[in-house]
Amino acid sequence: ETGVTQTPRHLVMGMTNKKSLKCEQHLGHNAMYWYKQSAKKPLELMFVYNFKEQTENNSVPSRFSPECPNSSHLFLHLHTLQPEDSALYLCASRPTAGGPFNEQFFGPGTRLTVL
Amino acid sequence: QKEVEQDPGPLSVPEGAIVSLNCTYSNSAFQYFMWYRQYSRKGPELLMYTYSSGNKEDGRFTAQVDKSSKYISLFIRDSQPSDSATYLCAMSDNAGNNRKLIWGLGTSLAVNP
Repeated sequence: ETGVTQTPRHLVMGMTNKKSLKCEQHLGHNAMYWYKQSAKKPLELMFVYNFKEQTENNSVPSRFSPECPNSSHLFLHLHTLQPEDSALYLCASRPTAGGPFNEQFFGPGTRLTVL
Repeated sequence: QKEVEQDPGPLSVPEGAIVSLNCTYSNSAFQYFMWYRQYSRKGPELLMYTYSSGNKEDGRFTAQVDKSSKYISLFIRDSQPSDSATYLCAMSDNAGNNRKLIWGLGTSLAVNP
């Protein structure tokens, strides 16, 4: 596997379910991100991790719970979601060394539908 | 007022046309300006980035930044059907290590053979 991978690619869940999204990066990066992409809205930054430490929580509801056990893996635990949480959830990673500009590399996303 | 404005389109052009995509912004602290391309069922990928003002060219693609007008553009010459995608502009200031990007809505482009 190369780049940034995300599983599952598609997920349908009821409002009372608990599920988790997984992201893995094979690029040796130290920063990882969760974004939400909804129709007719710009990409919304949710969480940022640097060297496994959460450095940004963009006022995300507590029904979304991130976990970063190491610099290569990032999870988003979901529980009691609402239909308006249906969206494409994108994971990204970025190197933290090497210069003032560091590109973010995105995974293909998980398409989440909440019924 | 949104920090970054981008017309979502859709934009439909014939193959070979010159395409112009644009974003405006309100925050004068932005220093890094990026264009990402997103194909259907894929994540965004960086196409080009520019630091501060000026032009940057890469093959058929040219990125322009006019900080005095708070306006950025992406030009695609000799457009191809493979250029059909959503183009997102993104910007950031020069502060911190998070490189928190502020995104436009994205413009959907279809290049018809």
